[in-house]
Amino acid sequence: SQTIHQWPATLVQPVGSPLSLECTVEGTSNPNLYWYRQAAGRGLQLLFYSVGIGQISSEVPQNLSASRPQDRQFILSSKKLLLSDSGFYLCARGTSGRRNTGELFFGEGSRLTVL
Amino acid sequence: AQKITQTQPGMFVQEKEAVTLDCTYDTSDPSYGLFWYKQPSSGEMIFLIYQGSYDQQNATEGRYSLNFQKARKSANLVISASQLGDSAMYFCAMREGGWIYNQGGKLIFGQGTELSVKP
Repeated sequence: SQTIHQWPATLVQPVGSPLSLECTVEGTSNPNLYWYRQAAGRGLQLLFYSVGIGQISSEVPQNLSASRPQDRQFILSSKKLLLSDSGFYLCARGTSGRRNTGELFFGEGSRLTVL
Repeated sequence: AQKITQTQPGMFVQEKEAVTLDCTYDTSDPSYGLFWYKQPSSGEMIFLIYQGSYDQQNATEGRYSLNFQKARKSANLVISASQLGDSAMYFCAMREGGWIYNQGGKLIFGQGTELSVKP
Protein backbone atom coordinates (compact mmCIF):
# COMPACT_ATOMS: atom_id res chain seq x y z
CA SER A 1 0.00 0.00 0.00
CA GLN A 2 1.06 3.57 -0.53
CA THR A 3 1.40 5.19 2.88
CA ILE A 4 2.44 8.65 3.96
CA HIS A 5 4.09 9.08 7.33
CA GLN A 6 4.42 12.43 9.03
CA TRP A 7 6.20 13.26 12.24
CA PRO A 8 6.03 14.61 14.72
CA ALA A 9 2.25 14.49 15.01
CA THR A 10 2.17 17.45 17.38
CA LEU A 11 4.77 20.04 18.24
CA VAL A 12 4.86 23.05 20.54
CA GLN A 13 7.74 25.40 19.86
CA PRO A 14 8.76 28.85 21.12
CA VAL A 15 9.01 31.80 18.78
CA GLY A 16 12.44 31.98 17.21
CA SER A 17 13.20 28.27 17.50
CA PRO A 18 13.95 26.06 14.47
CA LEU A 19 11.54 23.61 12.91
CA SER A 20 11.82 20.36 11.04
CA LEU A 21 8.78 18.39 9.92
CA GLU A 22 9.35 15.18 8.07
CA CYS A 23 7.25 13.33 5.54
CA THR A 24 8.10 9.93 4.08
CA VAL A 25 6.20 7.99 1.47
CA GLU A 26 6.06 4.22 1.05
CA GLY A 27 5.04 2.04 -1.84
CA THR A 28 5.70 4.35 -4.75
CA SER A 29 8.69 5.78 -6.55
CA ASN A 30 9.26 9.32 -7.81
CA PRO A 31 6.01 10.72 -6.46
CA ASN A 32 5.06 14.37 -6.67
CA LEU A 33 5.04 15.60 -3.08
CA TYR A 34 3.31 18.58 -1.53
CA TRP A 35 3.29 20.54 1.72
CA TYR A 36 0.03 22.24 2.63
CA ARG A 37 -0.76 24.34 5.68
CA GLN A 38 -4.16 24.71 7.26
CA ALA A 39 -4.70 27.57 9.67
CA ALA A 40 -7.39 27.07 12.32
CA GLY A 41 -10.84 26.91 10.70
CA ARG A 42 -9.46 27.64 7.27
CA GLY A 43 -8.79 25.90 4.00
CA LEU A 44 -5.54 24.40 2.81
CA GLN A 45 -2.81 26.59 1.44
CA LEU A 46 -0.14 25.05 -0.79
CA LEU A 47 3.32 25.90 0.49
CA PHE A 48 5.73 23.80 -1.57
CA TYR A 49 5.71 21.01 -4.08
CA SER A 50 8.39 18.77 -5.49
CA VAL A 51 8.51 16.69 -8.65
CA GLY A 52 11.81 15.00 -7.80
CA ILE A 53 14.91 14.88 -5.63
CA GLY A 54 16.29 18.34 -5.03
CA GLN A 55 13.46 19.99 -6.99
CA ILE A 56 11.40 22.36 -4.88
CA SER A 57 8.83 24.91 -5.99
CA SER A 58 7.61 27.52 -3.54
CA GLU A 59 4.08 28.80 -3.84
CA VAL A 60 4.10 31.63 -1.33
CA PRO A 61 6.91 33.70 0.17
CA GLN A 62 7.28 32.89 3.82
CA ASN A 63 9.44 31.95 6.71
CA LEU A 64 9.60 28.29 5.71
CA SER A 65 11.70 26.19 3.37
CA ALA A 66 11.45 22.67 2.00
CA SER A 67 13.91 20.04 0.91
CA ARG A 68 13.75 16.67 -0.75
CA PRO A 69 16.97 14.83 0.03
CA GLN A 70 15.62 11.45 -1.06
CA ASP A 71 12.97 10.27 -3.49
CA ARG A 72 10.45 9.45 -0.78
CA GLN A 73 11.38 12.08 1.80
CA PHE A 74 10.08 15.63 2.00
CA ILE A 75 11.12 17.96 4.80
CA LEU A 76 9.64 21.28 5.89
CA SER A 77 11.97 23.55 7.85
CA SER A 78 12.34 26.92 9.43
CA LYS A 79 15.35 28.58 11.02
CA LYS A 80 13.26 30.85 13.26
CA LEU A 81 9.58 30.24 13.86
CA LEU A 82 7.01 33.02 13.97
CA LEU A 83 3.66 32.98 15.75
CA SER A 84 1.98 32.99 12.34
CA ASP A 85 3.62 29.65 11.51
CA SER A 86 1.19 27.89 13.84
CA GLY A 87 -1.12 25.52 11.99
CA PHE A 88 -1.78 22.04 10.75
CA TYR A 89 0.76 20.90 8.18
CA LEU A 90 -0.22 18.24 5.73
CA CYS A 91 2.05 16.32 3.41
CA ALA A 92 0.49 14.87 0.28
CA ARG A 93 1.54 12.81 -2.70
CA GLY A 94 0.17 12.68 -6.20
CA THR A 95 -1.41 9.55 -7.61
CA SER A 96 0.50 7.34 -10.01
CA GLY A 97 -0.42 5.53 -13.14
CA ARG A 98 -1.60 6.52 -16.55
CA ARG A 99 -4.78 8.52 -16.93
CA ASN A 100 -5.07 9.10 -13.21
CA THR A 101 -7.56 11.70 -12.14
CA GLY A 102 -4.99 13.59 -10.11
CA GLU A 103 -6.33 13.37 -6.62
CA LEU A 104 -3.86 13.85 -3.82
CA PHE A 105 -3.47 11.49 -0.88
CA PHE A 106 -2.62 13.06 2.43
CA GLY A 107 -0.70 12.08 5.51
CA GLU A 108 -2.18 12.42 8.97
CA GLY A 109 -0.68 15.86 9.49
CA SER A 110 1.57 17.61 11.99
CA ARG A 111 0.00 20.14 14.32
CA LEU A 112 2.40 22.98 15.17
CA THR A 113 1.78 25.51 17.91
CA VAL A 114 4.20 28.39 18.21
CA LEU A 115 4.12 30.19 21.56
CA ALA B 1 -10.01 36.44 -7.22
CA GLN B 2 -10.87 33.27 -5.37
CA LYS B 3 -10.40 30.19 -7.49
CA ILE B 4 -12.66 28.06 -5.30
CA THR B 5 -15.53 29.50 -3.30
CA GLN B 6 -17.52 27.69 -0.66
CA THR B 7 -20.13 30.10 0.63
CA GLN B 8 -21.49 27.97 3.48
CA PRO B 9 -19.22 28.08 6.54
CA GLY B 10 -21.53 25.70 8.38
CA MET B 11 -24.50 23.47 7.58
CA PHE B 12 -26.88 21.34 9.64
CA VAL B 13 -28.77 18.35 8.34
CA GLN B 14 -31.05 15.82 9.97
CA GLU B 15 -29.87 12.24 9.96
CA LYS B 16 -31.12 10.27 6.91
CA GLU B 17 -31.85 13.43 4.93
CA ALA B 18 -29.92 14.63 1.88
CA VAL B 19 -27.72 17.71 1.96
CA THR B 20 -26.04 19.81 -0.73
CA LEU B 21 -22.73 21.56 -0.15
CA ASP B 22 -22.04 24.40 -2.56
CA CYS B 23 -18.86 25.03 -4.51
CA THR B 24 -18.16 27.46 -7.32
CA TYR B 25 -14.89 27.74 -9.17
CA ASP B 26 -13.09 30.11 -11.47
CA THR B 27 -10.72 29.09 -14.23
CA SER B 28 -10.03 29.97 -17.83
CA ASP B 29 -8.42 26.60 -18.52
CA PRO B 30 -10.74 24.35 -20.58
CA SER B 31 -9.28 21.26 -18.87
CA TYR B 32 -9.57 20.95 -15.15
CA GLY B 33 -10.56 18.59 -12.40
CA LEU B 34 -12.78 19.12 -9.41
CA PHE B 35 -12.48 17.22 -6.13
CA TRP B 36 -14.24 16.92 -2.82
CA TYR B 37 -12.47 15.96 0.38
CA LYS B 38 -13.78 15.19 3.85
CA GLN B 39 -11.83 16.17 6.96
CA PRO B 40 -13.07 14.63 10.22
CA SER B 41 -12.02 16.09 13.55
CA SER B 42 -8.95 13.82 13.48
CA GLY B 43 -7.55 16.02 10.72
CA GLU B 44 -6.97 13.49 7.97
CA MET B 45 -8.07 14.46 4.47
CA ILE B 46 -10.22 11.81 2.81
CA PHE B 47 -10.78 11.93 -0.95
CA LEU B 48 -14.46 11.53 -1.80
CA ILE B 49 -15.20 12.19 -5.43
CA TYR B 50 -13.77 13.55 -8.67
CA GLN B 51 -15.28 15.31 -11.70
CA GLY B 52 -13.36 16.05 -14.87
CA SER B 53 -14.26 19.08 -16.94
CA TYR B 54 -14.94 16.94 -19.99
CA ASP B 55 -16.91 14.26 -18.19
CA GLN B 56 -20.36 13.99 -19.70
CA GLN B 57 -22.05 12.61 -16.64
CA ASN B 58 -22.08 13.76 -13.05
CA ALA B 59 -19.77 11.73 -10.83
CA THR B 60 -21.21 9.42 -8.21
CA GLU B 61 -19.53 7.42 -5.45
CA GLY B 62 -21.91 5.58 -3.17
CA ARG B 63 -23.90 8.18 -1.22
CA TYR B 64 -21.88 11.02 -2.75
CA SER B 65 -22.74 12.66 -6.03
CA LEU B 66 -21.41 15.76 -7.68
CA ASN B 67 -23.87 18.16 -9.30
CA PHE B 68 -21.66 19.56 -12.04
CA GLN B 69 -23.01 22.63 -13.84
CA LYS B 70 -20.23 23.68 -16.15
CA ALA B 71 -21.82 26.84 -17.52
CA ARG B 72 -22.43 28.10 -14.00
CA LYS B 73 -19.01 26.89 -12.86
CA SER B 74 -20.45 25.06 -9.93
CA ALA B 75 -19.64 21.63 -8.52
CA ASN B 76 -21.92 20.99 -5.59
CA LEU B 77 -21.57 17.88 -3.45
CA VAL B 78 -24.74 16.00 -2.63
CA ILE B 79 -24.73 13.57 0.27
CA SER B 80 -27.77 11.34 0.35
CA ALA B 81 -29.13 9.68 3.48
CA SER B 82 -26.86 11.55 5.89
CA GLN B 83 -25.25 9.61 8.71
CA LEU B 84 -23.83 10.83 12.01
CA GLY B 85 -20.37 9.90 10.74
CA ASP B 86 -20.75 12.42 7.94
CA SER B 87 -20.20 15.24 10.43
CA ALA B 88 -16.94 16.83 9.30
CA MET B 89 -15.38 19.64 7.29
CA TYR B 90 -15.82 19.30 3.56
CA PHE B 91 -13.47 20.89 1.07
CA CYS B 92 -13.90 21.51 -2.62
CA ALA B 93 -10.69 21.63 -4.66
CA MET B 94 -9.64 22.20 -8.25
CA ARG B 95 -6.74 21.14 -10.42
CA GLU B 96 -6.18 23.32 -13.46
CA GLY B 97 -4.97 21.52 -16.56
CA GLY B 98 -5.85 18.20 -18.14
CA TRP B 99 -5.33 14.71 -16.81
CA ILE B 100 -1.80 14.21 -15.71
CA TYR B 101 0.26 11.39 -17.10
CA ASN B 102 2.71 11.42 -14.26
CA GLN B 103 1.46 11.80 -10.74
CA GLY B 104 -0.96 14.59 -10.19
CA GLY B 105 -0.80 18.32 -10.03
CA LYS B 106 -1.41 21.07 -7.56
CA LEU B 107 -4.84 21.34 -5.99
CA ILE B 108 -6.39 24.63 -4.95
CA PHE B 109 -8.76 24.33 -2.00
CA GLY B 110 -11.79 26.29 -0.87
CA GLN B 111 -12.31 27.43 2.70
CA GLY B 112 -14.50 24.51 3.58
CA THR B 113 -17.99 23.84 4.93
CA GLU B 114 -18.54 22.34 8.34
CA LEU B 115 -21.36 19.83 8.20
CA SER B 116 -23.15 18.74 11.36
CA VAL B 117 -25.57 15.82 11.20
CA LYS B 118 -28.27 15.86 13.86
CA PRO B 119 -29.67 12.59 15.25
